[in-house]
Amino acid sequence: GENVEQHPSTLSVQEGDSAVIKCTYSDSASNYFPWYKQELGKRPQLIIDIRSNVGEKKDQRIAVTLNKTAKHFSLHITETQPEDSAVYFCAASSDSGGYQKVTFGTGTKLQVIP
Amino acid sequence: DSGVTQTPKHLITATGQRVTLRCSPRSGDLSVYWYQQSLDQGLQFLIQYYNGEERAKGNILERFSAQQFPDLHSELNLSSLELGDSALYFCASSQRDTLNEQYFGPGTRLTVT
Repeated sequence: GENVEQHPSTLSVQEGDSAVIKCTYSDSASNYFPWYKQELGKRPQLIIDIRSNVGEKKDQRIAVTLNKTAKHFSLHITETQPEDSAVYFCAASSDSGGYQKVTFGTGTKLQVIP
Repeated sequence: DSGVTQTPKHLITATGQRVTLRCSPRSGDLSVYWYQQSLDQGLQFLIQYYNGEERAKGNILERFSAQQFPDLHSELNLSSLELGDSALYFCASSQRDTLNEQYFGPGTRLTVT
């Protein structure tokens, strides 16, 4: 089955700096890669996603890059703000004849220091 | 608010018991997914339903079962509960059956004593 590794497990950055979270996946059939932000005690919220036919996607301060050959994808947050502090999860999803399986990474706890 | 609702919010029960968690998807969404999140751990995919049919299974124990009803709400049944089943259980919904964004409900916190 799919295996998704996520690094680092914790990340502290100064406000205004950039943060990068990396994930690798094992199943070459995976073709949809969402990122979720989960604040303490709250639900995961989709913040950005990318499909395998795209190499990069950007939404304001957030960007995701995908390298299918190397089977890794990354989340980039620029100009970090204290409200970016949360746990971020990557996920890899494959579609096999209408059957979708989603595998999540183990999460990165991001702390933005004011 | 994602539009996905889950009940109950909290559930405390004893080992060996059986509980049912309920999820109502966003209006128009046909897929429902169930996830388990243990303390300080990531999200484990349990099972997916699409328009009433089971579509994918993840790490779901045999003691757990789920179904999706004609009105598209879903229930997750957990039986013969063990201490290790204590976790947050999330459901999520999406419009289609594959490769699209999922919207999570607020979760049900299950405590088994």
